[in-house]
Amino acid sequence: QSVLTQPPSVSGAPGQRVTISCTGSSSNIGAGYDVHWYQQLPGTAPKLVIYDTSNRPSGVPDRFSGSKSGASASLAISGLQAEDEADYYCQSYDSSLRVFGGGTKLTVL
Amino acid sequence: QVQLQESGPGLVKPSETLSLTCTVSGGSISSSYWSWIRQPPGKGLEWIGYIYFSGSTNSNPPLKSRVSISVDTSKNHFSLKLSSVTAADTAVYYCARGREWFDPWGQGILVTVSS
Repeated sequence: QSVLTQPPSVSGAPGQRVTISCTGSSSNIGAGYDVHWYQQLPGTAPKLVIYDTSNRPSGVPDRFSGSKSGASASLAISGLQAEDEADYYCQSYDSSLRVFGGGTKLTVL
Repeated sequence: QVQLQESGPGLVKPSETLSLTCTVSGGSISSSYWSWIRQPPGKGLEWIGYIYFSGSTNSNPPLKSRVSISVDTSKNHFSLKLSSVTAADTAVYYCARGREWFDPWGQGILVTVSS
């Protein structure tokens, strides 16, 4: 069981907006710690797409956005494209450790 | 820009020690924290631990007694040793820059534990 809980899968049609949730607890996200998001395309290493909850690294399209409320965080992808089909992982801090969510598979219909 | 490359044996026998090295290019290892993360086949990501160039480390409690992370600033690389491995340690092992978030990542190396 992962410390951070993500839905196993989400899907959306091209052009649509999808959100991926990441639910934690009072010892991680709920304690105010930032959340980071990674995109993992099939057969490749994860790539950072959001850091410090809502910041995009250089080169990441502004279609990707992040937010947080209470003990949960969300990654939103607007204007969905076929190339966005991947696994997405959230990550945060908990008791001096770095913890990941179990991952969400995004399918573009 | 900074690039990372993992290297080491792809096959380790049960009860032996897994040893990997991550070589950093395009930047100095003395400028950041550096981490190891692994991913069992078909499963999610697990943080193993990190090291600062000064040598200070932190690692995941379930692995702490078996993990050793070191750094060699003269070679611009850092290393992971995981002792007493079992089949459960079979995974793709990634190195990455950072302590709070991880960017960039190496391409990963599959390590299989089998006799």
